[in-house]
Amino acid sequence: QVQLQESGPGLVKPSGTLSLTCAVSGGSISSSNWWSWIRQPPGKGLEWIGEIFHSESTNFTNYNPSLKSRVTISVDKSKNQLSLKLSSVTVADTAVYYCARGTHLAFDYWGQGTLVTVSS
Amino acid sequence: QSALTQPPSASGSPGQSVTISCTGTSSDVGGYNSVSWYQQHPGKAPKLMIYEVSKRPSGVPNRFSGSKSGNTASLTVSGLQAEDEADYFCSSYAGSSNYVFGTGTKVTVL
Repeated sequence: QVQLQESGPGLVKPSGTLSLTCAVSGGSISSSNWWSWIRQPPGKGLEWIGEIFHSESTNFTNYNPSLKSRVTISVDKSKNQLSLKLSSVTVADTAVYYCARGTHLAFDYWGQGTLVTVSS
Repeated sequence: QSALTQPPSASGSPGQSVTISCTGTSSDVGGYNSVSWYQQHPGKAPKLMIYEVSKRPSGVPNRFSGSKSGNTASLTVSGLQAEDEADYFCSSYAGSSNYVFGTGTKVTVL
């Protein structure tokens, strides 16, 4: 059973960089799956942030066009985890951030989510 | 791109059926057979209920079914049970390695 666990600072200052990690257990980050980050502002809907596919030779990434200039997703194979960095954050980036495994153009395993608040 | 449009709320009595719509465009819902549906209870992570328009992951009751016509997808929950009360979100592949989610529907079991 694949399990995902997000972690990182719960508070980030405006104009700063949000950094989160997602530890994957019960499966390999190098499996034939894409791994995504998805966020949900309090009381609102879901927004796909981006995804990464890790192979032995390289990584492939895709990002939401609306966030592309500020987002970086990477993989640490040795720790079996993926990471998210979102730069130049504003209060609009306050949300619960989820990592999820992609399959059949859907998301079948999700982490519990972590709330990140952008505030001074 | 814009979020897919869902009704804010839907309701039904135990044992009845409820259907939720998810309207997009020919660039997302209408263009790909990749609509998925997620159930989210308060304070919990979303759970995949339907993928590829009408397929159910292992463990999802067959009371949940999905369909699509043109730019609109639908999720039907038959034989409503108290535990079905939750928020439901649709999602669609939107081309160019991009995904879009729906606005969400709160289902109430009366």
